[in-house]
Amino acid sequence: QLQLQESGPGLVKPSETLSLTCTVSGGSISSSSYYWGWIRQPPGKGLEWIGSIYYSGNTYYNPSLKSRVTISVDTSKNQFSLRLTSVTAADTAVYYCATVNPRWAFDYWGQGTLVTVSS
Amino acid sequence: QSALTQPASVSGSPGQSITISCTGTSSDVGGYNYVSWYQQHPGKAPKLMIYEVSNRPSGVSNRFSGSKSGNTASLTISGLQAEDEADYYCTSYTSSSTHVVFGGGTKLTVL
Repeated sequence: QLQLQESGPGLVKPSETLSLTCTVSGGSISSSSYYWGWIRQPPGKGLEWIGSIYYSGNTYYNPSLKSRVTISVDTSKNQFSLRLTSVTAADTAVYYCATVNPRWAFDYWGQGTLVTVSS
Repeated sequence: QSALTQPASVSGSPGQSITISCTGTSSDVGGYNYVSWYQQHPGKAPKLMIYEVSNRPSGVSNRFSGSKSGNTASLTISGLQAEDEADYYCTSYTSSSTHVVFGGGTKLTVL
């Protein structure tokens, strides 16, 4: 059973860079079965897909965030990461990491981590 | 405004059945069988309930079922239970550069 855990700062200043890491346990991030994705949810609002990465480094990004987003993978640590630059208050959200199966369904989710953008 | 349209809320009494709709276009829901449904309780991560329109992951109750007709997918919950009270989201693969689109979510209240 795969388990995912997000980690990173809970508070980021406006215009700075948000950085989060997702640690995968119970399986290898090099598995050909999944892409590895990030989804966010502003307080009281719905879900928004940020992007996904394959272990080989192939990525898909939400066009609305593409200019500010980088997702990377570290197979040696069984982790993948999210960087979001030039953040504003609108980026305040719970950020989830999740597996993305070949049928574009998000099977396994981390518990989520709240990131607040504030000075 | 979400790419997929869901009703903001639905309600039902214990034991009844309810259906939540998810309307998209021929570029997403209507064009692919990659529709998924998620249940989210307050303060918790979403949980996959249905994938590929009508398939249930292992461990998900058979009271949950999915279907699709044209550009609209549906999630039906039969024999409503108090624990079903949650927010429900649909997603679909899309041929647009977005790749994945979400519905705005539906709050299910069990009366």
